[in-house]
Amino acid sequence: AQSVSQHNHHVILSEAASLELGCNYSYGGTVNLFWYVQYPGQHLQLLLKYFSGDPLVKGIKGFEAEFIKSKFSFNLRKPSVQWSDTAEYFCAGGSFKTIFGAGTRLFVKA
Amino acid sequence: NAGVTQTPKFQVLKTGQSMTLQCAQDMNHEYMSWYRQDPGMGLRLIHYSVGAGITDQGEVPNGYNVSRSTTEDFPLRLLSAAPSQTSVYFCATARQGGNTIYFGEGSWLTVV
Repeated sequence: AQSVSQHNHHVILSEAASLELGCNYSYGGTVNLFWYVQYPGQHLQLLLKYFSGDPLVKGIKGFEAEFIKSKFSFNLRKPSVQWSDTAEYFCAGGSFKTIFGAGTRLFVKA
Repeated sequence: NAGVTQTPKFQVLKTGQSMTLQCAQDMNHEYMSWYRQDPGMGLRLIHYSVGAGITDQGEVPNGYNVSRSTTEDFPLRLLSAAPSQTSVYFCATARQGGNTIYFGEGSWLTVV
């Protein structure tokens, strides 16, 4: 069955620390992978997406993700986080039937 | 999120009542879907549709009904509301062959 799992439910970092959020997917067929961010009180915003080509995908706000087919992973990274990155992050996979991970809440201490 | 409109934005229901969450899009997208978002569980797919007249169940369909009589509209019906259906509901659309999902702004539902 199609599934997306995120490794950490809560992450706390200090400003300027590096970030890596884990995501693993499990489904066959075409690989469509996404990372979304949800700031407190707001709706989902697309950070980046991967469909094919270069496995290193760059998104908005300095985020990037790497698709590693052999590990079924699509981890999100940012070299230096800011307080404004405090939010919940969701990995998702699929096309019209998109399945979401449970989310990772990131808190960045100023 | 221009183009995907959800109503109502907030609703309080009593247990056993029925109601319909409306979702309308003006982007002529073939795909529409409903998700519910609960703390610690991410977004879970309730029902989805790949075109007018075609619907299918997602991960958590029980207690919900959908129909897709037109391309533009995809209403979600709660047949007999239960407290477990207290959640934030998101409608989403996508173009066939496209690679971006567009979300509505959400509907906050409380069942007491």
